[in-house]
Amino acid sequence: GENVEQHPSTLSVQEGDSAVIKCTYSDSASNYFPWYKQELGKGPQLIIDIRSNVGEKKDQRIAVTLNKTAKHFSLHITETQPEDSAVYFCAASRRDYNQGGKLIFGQGTELSVKP
Amino acid sequence: GAVVSQHPSWVICKSGTSVKIECRSLDFQATTMFWYRQFPKQSLMLMATSNEGSKATYEQGVEKDKFLINHASLTLSTLTVTSAHPEDSSFYICSAQGGNQPQHFGDGTRLSIL
Repeated sequence: GENVEQHPSTLSVQEGDSAVIKCTYSDSASNYFPWYKQELGKGPQLIIDIRSNVGEKKDQRIAVTLNKTAKHFSLHITETQPEDSAVYFCAASRRDYNQGGKLIFGQGTELSVKP
Repeated sequence: GAVVSQHPSWVICKSGTSVKIECRSLDFQATTMFWYRQFPKQSLMLMATSNEGSKATYEQGVEKDKFLINHASLTLSTLTVTSAHPEDSSFYICSAQGGNQPQHFGDGTRLSIL
């Protein structure tokens, strides 16, 4: 069935360093790839997303890259800050133009940014 | 931005009782709402998808008579855990989606059954 693999499961970086989280998806029909940040006791918050017709998208310190051929996508956080510490989830979905679809989530990455 | 409100945020109840959780989209119309369950240090597990005005679609292994979902309006969906038992204790999260917009999540409900 559909599957999304996410690595690493934990990541510890020094403040100011970059963090990279990688995901691989199995369903070649997936065309929408969001990333969510979940803080303790809260629901996931969308931080960035990318569609399959785009190879890269950037929003300030956060960027996402997509390799459709390899079915890989990655989250890059530059100049990390302690408040970036959280669990990050990638997800993949088939979305029709006018309609959303169900998300298949990765296993999550617990990011710790040490001051 | 899109806001999804989930209530209650935390509930403790005795075994055998039923618990209702509400999920509201506050500033957009949610044609589709999703209900997830999350165990500690694990990913989100989709339980069911509900479209306004129609019956929910449950994922394999999720008992529809145990987890009743109602999506009566474009801004409200409810999940009722019937005859709850300790194994139903978990973090339940809803999300709402309107048209081609991203899914936006509520802040979850921590359910503890004694």
